[in-house]
Amino acid sequence: DTAVSQTPKYLVTQMGNDKSIKCEQNLGHDTMYWYKQDSKKFLKIMFSYNNKELIINETVPNRFSPKSPDKAHLNLHINSLELGDSAVYFCASSQATGQNTGELFFGEGSRLTVL
Amino acid sequence: SQELEQSPQSLIVQEGKNLTINCTSSKTLYGLYWYKQKYGEGLIFLMMLQKGGEEKSHEKITAKLDEKKQQSSLHITASQPSHAGIYLCGADMEYGNKLVFGAGTILRVKS
Repeated sequence: DTAVSQTPKYLVTQMGNDKSIKCEQNLGHDTMYWYKQDSKKFLKIMFSYNNKELIINETVPNRFSPKSPDKAHLNLHINSLELGDSAVYFCASSQATGQNTGELFFGEGSRLTVL
Repeated sequence: SQELEQSPQSLIVQEGKNLTINCTSSKTLYGLYWYKQKYGEGLIFLMMLQKGGEEKSHEKITAKLDEKKQQSSLHITASQPSHAGIYLCGADMEYGNKLVFGAGTILRVKS
């Protein structure tokens, strides 16, 4: 069983379209995250949710809207896709304790290409 | 500038050689994490360091956190082709479970 699974793995779409990436974790963790990895491999946090509540929103454009229906799921919806949105999006989860994020368990990534 | 500076950006070593990757911040690190990423795959957790002066080892990889908790190093002894990949340091910079990453070090091991 995959601990953190995200779908789809690859996504190719036209500028202006809307797309969603889904993420599920079966580890029982309270906290889930979305990270964006650009072409230079730099990994940047976008959002984090703790028990379905938004904790971190790192100045991401409003076109990106995360949704957490329950603590095992964190989906990412992107409106009006732009060329600069092309990247690999990683979902992760952890059992955060106090000041520490704890070990992040990552999904395999969703490679989004906007044409 | 980034909150976590990682060096070198890339590294090519001959199989069997030792190497060190550094991760530095101007702020106190509440937790320091090392991850490895193979091309096209997700990140694999290597080690977490919390206390100043802490050192951990796993197989041929050793990570240290300095006493001031502002710098960490990852040392690989007798490198092998299986060590090739991208190494990323990540850190809890402040309360709120916000783990930020360095830019990564691309390691290539020549046979």
